[in-house]
Formats: sequence, C-alpha cells, structure tokens
Amino acid sequence: GENVEQHPSTLSVQEGDSAVIKCTYSDSASNYFPWYKQELGKRPQLIIDIRSNVGEKKDQRIAVTLNKTAKHFSLHITETQPEDSAVYFCAASNRSGYALNFGKGTSLLVTP
Amino acid sequence: DTGVSQDPRHKITKRGQNVTFRCDPISEHNRLYWYRQTLGQGPEFLTYFQNEAQLEKSRLLSDRFSAERPKGSFSTLEIQRTEQGDSAMYLCASSVGATISDEQYFGPGTRLTVT
Repeated sequence: GENVEQHPSTLSVQEGDSAVIKCTYSDSASNYFPWYKQELGKRPQLIIDIRSNVGEKKDQRIAVTLNKTAKHFSLHITETQPEDSAVYFCAASNRSGYALNFGKGTSLLVTP
Repeated sequence: DTGVSQDPRHKITKRGQNVTFRCDPISEHNRLYWYRQTLGQGPEFLTYFQNEAQLEKSRLLSDRFSAERPKGSFSTLEIQRTEQGDSAMYLCASSVGATISDEQYFGPGTRLTVT
C-alpha cells in the first residue's frame, strides 16, 4: 500500500537556525507532494508544494526538494522564527492522484 | 471568512448514536475531500467528491460511514452506530479541480468525542 514516512518526529532549533524535515514515500505513481503546517487546535495550512517534474522549489524562507529516484522529499526552513513553531506534515498523492497520504508529522519548536 | 467551513466544530455523543457533520467548501471548488485525524497522527483520507459524484473511498470508510454531496456544493458525513474508536477530528478540504492533483485547502474540522 501507499506509505509516507516522516522524520524526525520532533525537532528543536534555536531562532535563526535552519530546520530540515525529511519524508519518504513508497508509491512510484505519486506525483504531487504538499507540505502543511498545523498550529495547535487549528486547521492544516498549505505552505508549499512540489510536483514530480520539478526537483526544487523555494518560497522566501521555505524550500522543498524532491528526489524521485530515491522517493524522498524534504522541507527546509531557513532563519527560523518562534512563529514557525508548529507541527509540519508532508504528504504524497495516491495512485489515483486525488487523495493525499500524510506522514505522521514533525513537531518543530523554535526557541528564542 | 471565505475558506472551507465545517459544522459543528465539536460534537459529543454516546456510543451507538448517529452523528452528521457538514462541510461547505470554498465557492467554485469542484472537489471536496473528507479526512480523519487522530491525536499525534497526520490526516487519513476517507473519501472525495468531484462535483456531486463520490469517486473514491478509503478502506477506512466502513459501512457505518456515508458521505453525500447532493448538489455539488456542501457535503455531509454521517456516522451510524458510533463507536469509541470513531473519536477523532474530521477534516474537510476542497480544491478547484482543474488538474488531477491540486492544492487542497482544509476546514477547521469537527472534533467528535464518543463516550
């Protein structure tokens, strides 16, 4: 079946440092890879996504890389700020292309 | 607020009762998805609609669960004979539907507690 593994489960960094979260997926048919940020008690919010025809995408302090051969993708946050503290979820589209399979999440804590 | 909305936000019910949740997608979004999220986990896909047609269902969607989107706008998710294991956050998402995989925007969720 389709499986998305996410690491680490928790990550603590100091303000200004970089944070990297890594995910692997099992279904070679997956072609869409979004990342969501979820603050406590709030809805998941889409922060960046990447499609299989692109290897890297950047939006200000956030970047995502994709290695289709190895079936892994990563989220990079530079110059972290306390407001970046949240749970981050990676996801991969399923075989049909419509549903998303999510990782278990990474709890990021940015300390001042 | 023009985002995805869900009602109710919280529901407490006794085991064996039926519950129904509603989701209103972003206006003009053709696709609507239902996910379930338990504590410490990522959302798990349940089902999705393209307009009024329910096109995909997860194996998680047992025969006690039914979802509808009769006019292609709002959707309802009903759980019959609730069990304690149904306690979770039920999230709805919508997307434009212009391409196969497009950006999904989530609602605030309905938190179900089965006692």
